[in-house]
Amino acid sequence: AQSVAQPEDQVNVAEGNPLTVKCTYSVSGNPYLFWYVQYPNRGLQFLLKYITGDNLVKGSYGFEAEFNKSQTSFHLKKPSALVSDSALYFCAVRDTGNSGYALNFGKGTSLLVTP
Amino acid sequence: GAGVSQSPSNKVTEKGKDVELRCDPISGHTALYWYRQSLGQGLEFLIYFQGNSAPDKSGLPSDRFSAERTGGSVSTLTIQRTQQEDSAVYLCASSLALAGGREQYFGPGTRLTVT
Repeated sequence: AQSVAQPEDQVNVAEGNPLTVKCTYSVSGNPYLFWYVQYPNRGLQFLLKYITGDNLVKGSYGFEAEFNKSQTSFHLKKPSALVSDSALYFCAVRDTGNSGYALNFGKGTSLLVTP
Repeated sequence: GAGVSQSPSNKVTEKGKDVELRCDPISGHTALYWYRQSLGQGLEFLIYFQGNSAPDKSGLPSDRFSAERTGGSVSTLTIQRTQQEDSAVYLCASSLALAGGREQYFGPGTRLTVT
């Protein structure tokens, strides 16, 4: 079975500081990993994904994430946070070891960037 | 181009009534997914469609839930005899194909409130 854990319900960071939103996963095969962001009363917006290849993936709005197979993690990072980055962030995984194509989402992490 | 659209944006219904939620995917996307987002359960997969293949209904919570996709495009999610626990935001997503690590693009959602 596949699962995703986002251990922090909320992350607070000051504008201009680096931010990290944590994600760990569990799959039977190889993972396809995704990060999405959700602004209030909006749908989910795709940020970036890891499928294969380079462990460091870059995405929209200056975000990046590092795939670490030994630690089964896919943490989202940004070198310098903006107030406008404040939103709800979801990590998701699809397990290539099973036949399903649905994404399994974490519970979400609320990011608050203060001026 | 146009993204995924959903209607209505909000729906309030009385317990026991049937409701229909509509999703219009991105043009050319062959895969379509329904998810449900609620405070207690996070994001849950409900069902997905790929072209003319039989849908994967493994996430539907009960036989009161059904969905169809006409002409490989628009989809309707129907909930019969609604219950208060059905109150949630219903999100639709589409992607180019099921195979591989295709990212899913989400609509703004339909907020369903069962009174």
